[in-house]
Amino acid sequence: EIVLTQSPGTLSLSPGERATLSCRASQRVSSRYLAWYQQKPGQALRLLIYGASTRATGIPDRFSGSGSGTDFTLTIFRLEPEDFAVYYCQQYGSSPRTFGQGTKVEIK
Amino acid sequence: EVQLVESGGGLVKPGRSLRLSCSTSGFTFYDYAMRWFRQAPGKGLEWVAFISTSPYGATTEYAASVTGRFTISRDDSKSIAYLQMHSLQTEDTAVYYCTRDAISDFTNDFWGQGTLVTVSS
Repeated sequence: EIVLTQSPGTLSLSPGERATLSCRASQRVSSRYLAWYQQKPGQALRLLIYGASTRATGIPDRFSGSGSGTDFTLTIFRLEPEDFAVYYCQQYGSSPRTFGQGTKVEIK
Repeated sequence: EVQLVESGGGLVKPGRSLRLSCSTSGFTFYDYAMRWFRQAPGKGLEWVAFISTSPYGATTEYAASVTGRFTISRDDSKSIAYLQMHSLQTEDTAVYYCTRDAISDFTNDFWGQGTLVTVSS
C-alpha cells in the first residue's frame, strides 16, 4: 500500500497569499494517477487536480498541480475566501487507492 | 448536473447490518464503475469497495478491513449503487461516501455528500 504524507498539517495564510501544499509518497506514483481534492464541512469532496497537473472541469486557474515520482505539490495562487478548506492528495494508480491525511488551509 | 446522493445511514448496534444506497442522476450510470469510501470522525479517507460496470461483469473489490462483511452491488435500471454492511463493528463508524470512476482517467471525479453510520451499543 502506498502511504501519502502531506505537509504541513495546517497552513495559516491571509487572502491573496500563495499556498503551497506538499504530498510525498512512500513509493513512486505514476504521475497520471495523483489527484488533489478540496473538502469543506458538510459538502461533497471536490476534485481539483488529476493526473498530477490537470485541472478538473470548472476549477479556477489559481489552482496548480505539479510533481512526479514521489513528490507532488498543489499551489493555490492568490487565496480567495472560498479556498479556506482541507485539501487531500490521493493516488489512484495502485490498489488500494490511498489518501494523505490532509492539509488544512485556515485564515490567518 | 451530475449528482450522487447517499442514504441509509444511522445508528446501529455492533453486530447488526445496514444497507447504504447511492442514488445518482445527470450521467449514464451504466457506463461508470462505482466506489465507496469512508471517513471516520477526525480521521482521513479510506477506500472501502469497488464495482466495475456490468459489461465487465460487475466485478467487485474490497478493502481488507471489510472483506467478508460488506457487499457492493449496483442496479443499472435504477442508477443506484448499494453497500450492504453486515457484522458492523464500532470501527466502522464513519461518514460513507459514494463516488464514480471517471471514464477518461479513472479518478473519482464526483462525490456524494455522505451518510453517517454510527455503530454503538
